Amino acid sequence: DAGVIQSPRHEVTEMGQEVTLRCKPISGHDYLFWYRQTMMRGLELLIYFNNNVPIDDSGMPEDRFSAKMPNASFSTLKIQPSEPRDSAVYFCASRGRGYEQYFGPGTRLTVT
Amino acid sequence: GDSVTQMEGPVTLSEEAFLTINCTYTATGYPSLFWYVQYPGEGLQLLLKATKADDKGSNKGFEATYRKETTSFHLEKGSVQVSDSAVYFCARMEYGNKLVFGAGTILRVKS
Repeated sequence: DAGVIQSPRHEVTEMGQEVTLRCKPISGHDYLFWYRQTMMRGLELLIYFNNNVPIDDSGMPEDRFSAKMPNASFSTLKIQPSEPRDSAVYFCASRGRGYEQYFGPGTRLTVT
Repeated sequence: GDSVTQMEGPVTLSEEAFLTINCTYTATGYPSLFWYVQYPGEGLQLLLKATKADDKGSNKGFEATYRKETTSFHLEKGSVQVSDSAVYFCARMEYGNKLVFGAGTILRVKS
């Protein structure tokens, strides 16, 4: 089992550029979560999907952020345009029938 | 709103010392409670969980008991090791699938 896969692991970009983060959940899991982790705000849920459908996006900070899940094995989180305050570690997690969410290794985003 | 409060770190202990990391939660219902651990450069991993009052979760020598009367879920370990150095997050889940995390507590264990 490969676990949750995220790419890239590190991303450095300039303010104003578009950033796309990618996630492949564990096969068979029907929930997918996107989190953001910063020193100031801790770990925040941005959005989650069930069976590829967005269920709760109340944590998405602004219209600059968007997330999609075109199929059961792939999701993207896009920031357009990016700003320095978006710098954070972004985690994807997936969940099957049990309680446990399985986290990916994260993408460290730096916006200069 | 729902919240989880953890003791501030960092917590620095010598190897084989006793560990307690305090966690309290607000309760509008009967949440499930979790401890997650994050090792450097990695994502979070579930350490243990408890789904109802008086349940005790345990794993790898760590324990936590769901105390409804004090709305607490303190993490304990009798003898810590250097390899336990990590960030520990308390979390609650209620009304479905949203996990609410505490701020995290850094644990440093010295040999």
